[in-house]
Amino acid sequence: KAGVTQTPRYLIKTRGQQVTLSCSPISGHRSVSWYQQTPGQGLQFLFEYFSETQRNKGNFPGRFSGRQFSNSRSEMNVSTLELGDSALYLCASSLAGPRGTSYGYTFGSGTRLTVV
Amino acid sequence: TQLLEQSPQFLSIQEGENLTVYCNSSSVFSSLQWYRQEPGEGPVLLVTVVTGGEVKKLKRLTFQFGDARKDSSLHITAAQPGDTGLYLCAGGSYNNNDMRFGAGTRLTVKP
Repeated sequence: KAGVTQTPRYLIKTRGQQVTLSCSPISGHRSVSWYQQTPGQGLQFLFEYFSETQRNKGNFPGRFSGRQFSNSRSEMNVSTLELGDSALYLCASSLAGPRGTSYGYTFGSGTRLTVV
Repeated sequence: TQLLEQSPQFLSIQEGENLTVYCNSSSVFSSLQWYRQEPGEGPVLLVTVVTGGEVKKLKRLTFQFGDARKDSSLHITAAQPGDTGLYLCAGGSYNNNDMRFGAGTRLTVKP
């Protein structure tokens, strides 16, 4: 079966611009999570969507937002980009379960965002 | 501050050696997962452990979940260059469905 697809793979943006990243999960996976990975902070949780609803949110400013469509595809948006937003943004899909159940993630290859 | 502390941060060994990496927390987890990540790619799930004291083996890799569900270890026997990568542990919460990751152990196995 096809894996998790993230587009684009690489992106260079200027400070102050905004960016939209896309994620197509594995067919049948209704939960999509987004993470930011940097050398200094590791993987930091951004948010998780299930059935078009944001279920969980990490400690990121409101400039970071996301959404999920009826086909489970998800997008995340970062507005007013800052230099510190340069990172690898990873999307992960998983089967969904009740609160407290954690199925394994399948990650995409990520989008490498560079803000200059 | 990482919710999950992984040690060591870096590990460089020769092919054929054994090694253990650790994942510790003060929090109790509903489950714990281990991933391996290679440069330029997303992490790949190796194992999920859900029961305190559980031990799982995957070929040369042995994973253990602590009795109190607060810590875990990954032991690799006879390491090979193909084991090189960033090993990440991730803990699941009882209150939601997201996983929180440790900073990782970067393993290099030299031929």
